[in-house]
Parts: sequence; C-alpha cells; structure tokens
Amino acid sequence: EVQLVESGGGLVQPGESLRLSCTASAFSFSSSEMTWVRQAPGKGLEWVSYISSGGGTIYYGDSVKGRFTISRDSAKNSLSLQMNSLRVEDTAIYYCARGGSKLDHWGQGTLVTVSS
Amino acid sequence: SFVLTQPPSVSVAPGKTARLTCGGNNIGSKSVNWYQQKPGQAPVLVIYYDSDRPSGTPERFSGSNSGNTATLTISRVDAGDEADYYCQVWHSGNDHSVVFGGGTKLTVL
Repeated sequence: EVQLVESGGGLVQPGESLRLSCTASAFSFSSSEMTWVRQAPGKGLEWVSYISSGGGTIYYGDSVKGRFTISRDSAKNSLSLQMNSLRVEDTAIYYCARGGSKLDHWGQGTLVTVSS
Repeated sequence: SFVLTQPPSVSVAPGKTARLTCGGNNIGSKSVNWYQQKPGQAPVLVIYYDSDRPSGTPERFSGSNSGNTATLTISRVDAGDEADYYCQVWHSGNDHSVVFGGGTKLTVL
C-alpha cells in the first residue's frame, strides 16, 4: 500500500525556518512526481510546490516563491520542503502528495504554526 | 492566473443525486480532478482526468467537463458522502501551477 508520512512540523516564530520531510514507501519514488499542498485552518487547499521525478523541474506557488525550496532524495525515498522567512499566513497543515497534474495519494499532513 | 469557482455549499437528501460544479474559463480544454476531504482527514482523489475513477471510488461518482463548467455527480447519495469536495486542474500558462477550486461542502440532509 502506498504510504506517505510527513514530519517536521511545529511551532515557530515569524521569520524563522523549518524543514519538512515526507518519507515514501511501497511505490517507485524515483519515478514519481511529487507535490506539496497546504491547508490553512478552516480553509481550502493551496498548492505549494512541485518537483519532477528526476528533480530537474520545479515549480512554486506565488505565495512561497523565493522563500521555500523543494528537494528530493531518491536514495532515501524522501521529499523535503525547506521553509525560510516564515510568516503567520504560512500556518497550515502541509501535505505531501504523489503526482503532479493529479495527486493520487496523500500523506496525513504535518501542522506548521507560525506565531509570536 | 487561472481561477476555479465552486459553490461553497450544496445540500441533498439521501438517495438523491448531487451535482457539484466547478467553473473556469474554457475549463473543458483542461483535465479536471476531484478530491473528497472528510473532517480531520487528508484529501482523497475520487475522479481524475474529468471522468475516470480510481480503484476504490464507487460507481455512484461520475464526472464530466465541457465548456466553462466541470461537474462531479454523486448518485444515490448517502451520509458517508458528506464531505468537502475540491476540483483541481494543472494550469500551463506563463508559469506552471496546480490550481484548486475553493471547495464545496456537501451536506446530506
């Protein structure tokens, strides 16, 4: 069964950094596009970032461009999201998902809270 | 940027048919995916590429897409279908991005 497990969330102050990880299992991670999506409390889904299977193509949503960096380590079946200069409005559950144009499996998410 | 518009809420009686719409400029030219999200859970893909069902999605769920509107249709609605539903497309404009609609809360009366 495809499994995606996020980790690394927590409480940080505005301006600080945080690194999220997503560990994948039971599928060919190296052949899969991957995506981060977030959901602010009580709000809808917001796309954050995409990375191609080989890592050579990366896209970001406008609200995180220049502050967040997506990466992957296929040897470790791991996806990461480095989040710098965090803002209060970045508070959300962050999900990793398999796919790019369609997201066919999602992790359970990790909560990031940015507050002073 | 590309915008997807969904009604905030739809209500339907058990056993009836729910039609959830997703509007966008010439959305019929794009492939639309639909996700179901129940409270406290991660989203689940229920329809992809306009009308295909992943394994595990009941046949009661169907999708269509034409012109400026995509539609998720749920037949014989039951209480277990109560959830938030999001439409989504991949937009390739000046930049590439995934776009989600704002979501529709389906209430089973």
